[in-house]
Amino acid sequence: EPEVTQTPSHQVTQMGQEVILRCVPISNHLYFYWYRQILGQKVEFLVSFYNNEISEKSEIFDDQFSVERPDGSNFTLKIRSTKLEDSAMYFCASRTSGGAYEQYFGPGTRLTVT
Amino acid sequence: AQSVAQPEDQVNVAEGNPLTVKCTYSVSGNPYLFWYVQYPNRGLQFLLKYITGDNLVKGSYGFEAEFNKSQTSFHLKKPSALVSDSALYFCAVGNTGRRALTFGSGTRLQVQP
Repeated sequence: EPEVTQTPSHQVTQMGQEVILRCVPISNHLYFYWYRQILGQKVEFLVSFYNNEISEKSEIFDDQFSVERPDGSNFTLKIRSTKLEDSAMYFCASRTSGGAYEQYFGPGTRLTVT
Repeated sequence: AQSVAQPEDQVNVAEGNPLTVKCTYSVSGNPYLFWYVQYPNRGLQFLLKYITGDNLVKGSYGFEAEFNKSQTSFHLKKPSALVSDSALYFCAVGNTGRRALTFGSGTRLQVQP
């Protein structure tokens, strides 16, 4: 069964450093998302991406964040200058078009900012 | 703004007994409702959805959920719980205009042998 994959599974970085989180969505999916989950808190929406552009973003997704689909398979989230409060589990999700509204999530990348 | 409430942090049930995990929502327009399950160190796995049609929807692993428009609820149910159902369950809502999902805070289901 096709799955969303994410790399790395765990990333440790120092405050102020740039990080890139990578995702490979399910191959025939057209909509892509990033969510995050701070330890012990809710899963929160960050951004959605369709047709090579951002379709929606939350107030969390400020100028420090960017997304890219550099080729036909990868979908990346970049944090330009990490802060301690960026420490969280980051989930990538994707879904197909049409009436299948459910999103399929990857296993997540745990980002630890020290 | 859309929101989801899961009033119980934890639900304990004995194996073989029925289980219910509660969810209420607030959204403009017609809701798209979902249940996801999260096992330790794993991502969110899709269980079931309500988009339109029958109020009782069936999903994976014997789970079902009932959409109640008047009570704005979408409770998750299973007739007979298994120990392996022990996990964290999330209810989520979206709608036509906003496909991004808003999640509840999660309910930990503990099934005792």
